[in-house]
Amino acid sequence: EPEVTQTPSHQVTQMGQEVILRCVPISNHLYFYWYRQILGQKVEFLVSFYNNEISEKSEIFDDQFSVERPDGSNFTLKIRSTKLEDSAMYFCASTTSGGVYEQYFGPGTRLTVT
Amino acid sequence: GEDVEQSLFLSVREGDSSVINCTYTDSSSTYLYWYKQEPGAGLQLLTYIFSNMDMKQDQRLTVLLNKKDKHLSLRIADTQTGDSAIYFCAEPTYGGSQGNLIFGKGTKLSVKP
Repeated sequence: EPEVTQTPSHQVTQMGQEVILRCVPISNHLYFYWYRQILGQKVEFLVSFYNNEISEKSEIFDDQFSVERPDGSNFTLKIRSTKLEDSAMYFCASTTSGGVYEQYFGPGTRLTVT
Repeated sequence: GEDVEQSLFLSVREGDSSVINCTYTDSSSTYLYWYKQEPGAGLQLLTYIFSNMDMKQDQRLTVLLNKKDKHLSLRIADTQTGDSAIYFCAEPTYGGSQGNLIFGKGTKLSVKP
């Protein structure tokens, strides 16, 4: 069964450093998403992406964040200058259409900022 | 704004039924979802229900929807130790079927042998 993959599974970085989280969505999917889950809290929407541009972003997704689809398969989330409060599990998701049914999630990348 | 609320913990014995409850705020949501998160894993779409349905059954899973009270529940029959996980209720941000998902905090289901 096709699945969304994410790398790395765990990333440790120092405050102020840049990180790039990588995702490979399911190949025929067109809509891509990033969510994050701070430990013990809700899963929160960050950004959605379609047709090579951001469709929607939350207030969490400030200027420190950016997304890119550098080629036909990868979808990346960059955090330019990490803060302690960026420590969280980051989930990538994809779907064939804008409808949220059948939104498939990757296993997540645990980001730890020290 | 939209919000989804769930109780945080549920503990049952193997073989019993589990009922996980959720309340949501956006009455225009066309679909409502249950996701499962096993330890160390991502979010797995478990099931969903279309808003014109009151009930949906899928093997051991039964989803009940009370639109009047904006209440959604997930019943797992004959709960197994492998069902131990966190279960998230979710609704679309903008109602209907579009937009992004708003999740509850998740209910941690513990199944005792």
